[in-house]
Amino acid sequence: QITLKESGPTLVKPTQTLTLTCTFSGFSLSTGGVGVGWIRQPPGKALEWLAVIYWDGDKRYSPSLNNRLTITKDTSKNQVVLTMTNMDPVDTATYYCAHRPGRKWTLFWGQGTLVTVSS
Amino acid sequence: NFMLTQPLSVSESPGKTVTISCTRSNGRIDSKFVQWYQQRPASAPTTVIYEDNQRPSGVPDRFAGSIDYSSNSASLTVSGLRTEDEADYYCQSYDNTNSWVFGGGTKLTVL
Repeated sequence: QITLKESGPTLVKPTQTLTLTCTFSGFSLSTGGVGVGWIRQPPGKALEWLAVIYWDGDKRYSPSLNNRLTITKDTSKNQVVLTMTNMDPVDTATYYCAHRPGRKWTLFWGQGTLVTVSS
Repeated sequence: NFMLTQPLSVSESPGKTVTISCTRSNGRIDSKFVQWYQQRPASAPTTVIYEDNQRPSGVPDRFAGSIDYSSNSASLTVSGLRTEDEADYYCQSYDNTNSWVFGGGTKLTVL
């Protein structure tokens, strides 16, 4: 059974750096083709893809947020970490991590975590 | 890169059939797989269609995905509409660098 769970602060101040952790089970990020990505959703708005990291260490970022994002993986801990710098109230959103299996193109989603940016 | 454009909303009556489109801005729609996700209020998205037209186990066959080459779009068709189908639906694909792309979402209302 594949599970993913996001964790991190629920409240951050403007200009601070957000660090979110995705802890997963049921698959290995060392298996060929596998990826774990981050997607966010501001309240009442659409999904927005942020970043993805693949089994071989390849990383891709949203062009609009590229200079603020860093994604890393710890295969031994079954974790993927996303950092986003210079947080702003417009970054208030539910942040999801999602798993792309290697064998087929689909996504398995975590439950999401709401992050509010406010002073 | 490319964009995926969806209608903001669609509505239909219970028992009827509705189709949601997802148009790719540039590049061929069939060059990369398209997925569809259902998101009910206050819930995480779940996959209803993957790889253009494949249904995950547990998704009823009332949900079908297709590709229309003439309009460069993918479509999600839901037949025999039920009130439980009322949700937001998002299409998603990826580019040559394996970056992910999401459509803007469509709100399905079952009247």
